[in-house]
Amino acid sequence: EAGVTQSPTHLIKTRGQQATLRCSPISGHTSVYWYQQALGLGLQFLLWYDEGEERNRGNFPPRFSGRQFPNYSSELNVNALELEDSALYLCASSFVNLNIQYFGAGTRLSVL
Amino acid sequence: SQQGEEDPQALSIQEGENATMNCSYKTSINNLQWYRQNSGRGLVHLILIRSNEREKHSGRLRVTLDTSKKSSSLLITASRAADTASYFCATGQNRDDKIIFGKGTRLHILP
Repeated sequence: EAGVTQSPTHLIKTRGQQATLRCSPISGHTSVYWYQQALGLGLQFLLWYDEGEERNRGNFPPRFSGRQFPNYSSELNVNALELEDSALYLCASSFVNLNIQYFGAGTRLSVL
Repeated sequence: SQQGEEDPQALSIQEGENATMNCSYKTSINNLQWYRQNSGRGLVHLILIRSNEREKHSGRLRVTLDTSKKSSSLLITASRAADTASYFCATGQNRDDKIIFGKGTRLHILP
């Protein structure tokens, strides 16, 4: 069974540009979570999607947005990139909320 | 504010020794989970302990939960070099709320 897959692995952008990160959950999982992990720091919760709806959102500006598709895959969009957006972005999926989360390998976003 | 806080922030021990790290949280929880992250990669789930459980084992891992003190501990016995990683606790209050991760404990096993 395939695990959580994220693409791309690395992404290099310049300030002001937009970034799109993608995540495919484990088959059968309806919940998808996005986290930001700046270098050497913990995970900051970004977004939680379930059954195509945004269920919860972390303390991030509106330029961080996303969506979940009918096949439960998800996309994270970051508009008007700033230098401090450089981080590892992790996606996780679970069968139901509060259950075990399975993580992808992450997308490392570098903003120059 | 952060729900889970791990302690210590960093820990270095000799291979073969036991490693203990702690997690404190602020509000009531449904369950508490521990995850491991190897350098710059995705997290791997280790153990989930429910609020009505006090102790749980998995191989060399032992997790305790004290809801009266709002704290949990993760014990890794007979540590190995492969245990070098960051360890995070994560807490969830209810099914409609997000899971919150702590800042993690960086564990380094010395040969």
